[in-house]
Amino acid sequence: GQNIDQPTEMTATEGAIVQINCTYQTSGFNGLFWYQQHAGEAPTFLSYNVLDGLEEKGRFSSFLSRSKGYSYLLLKELQMKDSASYLCAVRGGYNKLIFGAGTRLAVHP
Amino acid sequence: GAVVSQHPSRVICKSGTSVKIECRSLDFQATTMFWYRQFPKQSLMLMATSNEGSKATYEQGVEKDKFLINHASLTLSTLTVTSAHPEDSSFYICSATRQASTYEQYFGPGTRLTVT
Repeated sequence: GQNIDQPTEMTATEGAIVQINCTYQTSGFNGLFWYQQHAGEAPTFLSYNVLDGLEEKGRFSSFLSRSKGYSYLLLKELQMKDSASYLCAVRGGYNKLIFGAGTRLAVHP
Repeated sequence: GAVVSQHPSRVICKSGTSVKIECRSLDFQATTMFWYRQFPKQSLMLMATSNEGSKATYEQGVEKDKFLINHASLTLSTLTVTSAHPEDSSFYICSATRQASTYEQYFGPGTRLTVT
């Protein structure tokens, strides 16, 4: 079966660092995506990992371990506008994306 | 580049009527378009995969006769919700991949459907 797990909710303080974990068990794997989604809006692309290791892009970093079926998204120097849902998605066969339920992050002053 | 639009952004319809939602890639040719549905506080669920000029491939549990998908060109796909019922009320999002790069999906802004 297909299973992608991530925490439902997290809270953090402005200026801090937060790590959002994602574990997956899927029948195929062609890369892992992280998306940000504000309420009522479409997801926006944050990062893509296909090989093991860390990908850094400004305040956002994403890590992948294929052997462990594990990824995390690291957000540094948190800002209030980072309050959103963060979706972990695995790309399987035929370019299909399988999404986790999302992690709602609340950033407080 | 890589902008995807959806129309309408919001629609309210009466139970039993049909609603058509358009998904357009504005500045690129989309080899494949995907249709998702998202219920409140839940994640995106893939409904179907659509390739230009061929029949859509539906995910298990999605009724193809209720959710009609037409991919008429490399820039346009439409989703028609036929005989809509209140339980069809949801946020419908399309995405598209382009010919040059197939790893990233570009998402449209979504369509909020409310069936009364």
